[in-house]
Amino acid sequence: SQQGEEDPQALSIQEGENATMNCSYKTSINNLQWYRQNSGRGLVHLILIRSNEREKHSGRLRVTLDTSKKSSSLLITASRAADTASYFCATDGDNDMRFGAGTRLTVKP
Amino acid sequence: DAGVIQSPRHEVTEMGQEVTLRCKPISGHDYLFWYRQTMMRGLELLIYFNNNVPIDDSGMPEDRFSAKMPNASFSTLKIQPSEPRDSAVYFCASSLTGRFYNEQFFGPGTRLTVL
Repeated sequence: SQQGEEDPQALSIQEGENATMNCSYKTSINNLQWYRQNSGRGLVHLILIRSNEREKHSGRLRVTLDTSKKSSSLLITASRAADTASYFCATDGDNDMRFGAGTRLTVKP
Repeated sequence: DAGVIQSPRHEVTEMGQEVTLRCKPISGHDYLFWYRQTMMRGLELLIYFNNNVPIDDSGMPEDRFSAKMPNASFSTLKIQPSEPRDSAVYFCASSLTGRFYNEQFFGPGTRLTVL
């Protein structure tokens, strides 16, 4: 079963705009990761944020984590057509890692 | 490194047949994970190994599913007998240390269709 729930399920924006995706989870975590999946491909790790961190940056990516609200957000700035993909958050509890259902991002050129 | 290698990339079989999926993790990685992805259930962790030893197989759906890791460079996921509801994309992933504390590197997946 899934723990993380991404919101929105689908997002369509124009190239150059920012894209924000949210993830909510239910139980306490050690860390939260974001992955990207291009159609028909495996998942690619984007960024990991630990439970004691509040914000992390990697290139055009910015991730925030609010453990009190059990939520995280992924911001992609200055989006490009190549950013079109599904984005998943993954949370780890004590015994397993759970992936959300994903947000399908479409960036129109 | 070539990354995580999975074979076959596509498998079409008939109900009742045995299916074996294969995975070669990245050299030096001591964790290996098997996932299943479907539209209905999303991405599910089936089982993971640490240093070739199965640690948690609670995600394996039924006794029809089994996984082995005879050595550090090879793992198999077997379904016997297969059923149409097993149709999914099966991913293998590996990571360097720390179970879920580090990034996982995913293979390209095996798309299984059971007729």
